[in-house]
Amino acid sequence: QEQLVESGGGLVKPGGSLRLSCVASGFTFRDHYMSWIRQAPGKGLDWISYISNSGSPIYYSDSARGRFTISRDNARSSLYLQMNSLRAEDTAIYYCARLRCSSASCFWRYFDSWGQGTPVTVSS
Amino acid sequence: SYVLTQPPSVSVAPGQTARITCGGNNIGSNSVHWYQQKPGQAPVVVVYADSDRPSGIPERVSGSKSGNTATLTIGRVGAGDEADYYCQVWDTSDHLVVFGGGTKLTVL
Repeated sequence: QEQLVESGGGLVKPGGSLRLSCVASGFTFRDHYMSWIRQAPGKGLDWISYISNSGSPIYYSDSARGRFTISRDNARSSLYLQMNSLRAEDTAIYYCARLRCSSASCFWRYFDSWGQGTPVTVSS
Repeated sequence: SYVLTQPPSVSVAPGQTARITCGGNNIGSNSVHWYQQKPGQAPVVVVYADSDRPSGIPERVSGSKSGNTATLTIGRVGAGDEADYYCQVWDTSDHLVVFGGGTKLTVL
């Protein structure tokens, strides 16, 4: 059974840091692009970053670039998100998700598997 | 940056057909994916590549595109279809992922 389990969320003060983890099981992790997506309370989905199956290339949203760092350890089937200089507006549920190609050419991708999310609250 | 526009809400009576739109510039040249999210749960893909359904998604759920608009159609709507729905594309020019703002489907 394919599964993604996030951890590492919690309460952190503005300006602080947090490292999220996502452990994958039930599929060959190293074969897939992976991503982080967040959802602020009562708001929509906000893509943060994705990383290729090999670890490069990596892309970030404008809101994440410069403060967040995505990484992966294929030997541990794990995805990470290092978040620095956290702000109140970073308060959200953070989801780990697997990307799948939507065509044979792999020109486009979509999220075919999601974790249940880990909550992050940035507050003093 | 690329923008996807969805109506904030759609309401439909039980048994009727719900149509949720997703507008974007030149969306016809992109591949559109749709997600359903129920309260307290993670999103689930219901349509990918414009009109393909993952296994387990019923045939009454379908996707289409025309001009600058993609549409998610849910037939014979029931209470179990009440959820937020999001469209998504892969912005190949900037290598970014774009989500629409989401549409809350209410079954009257």
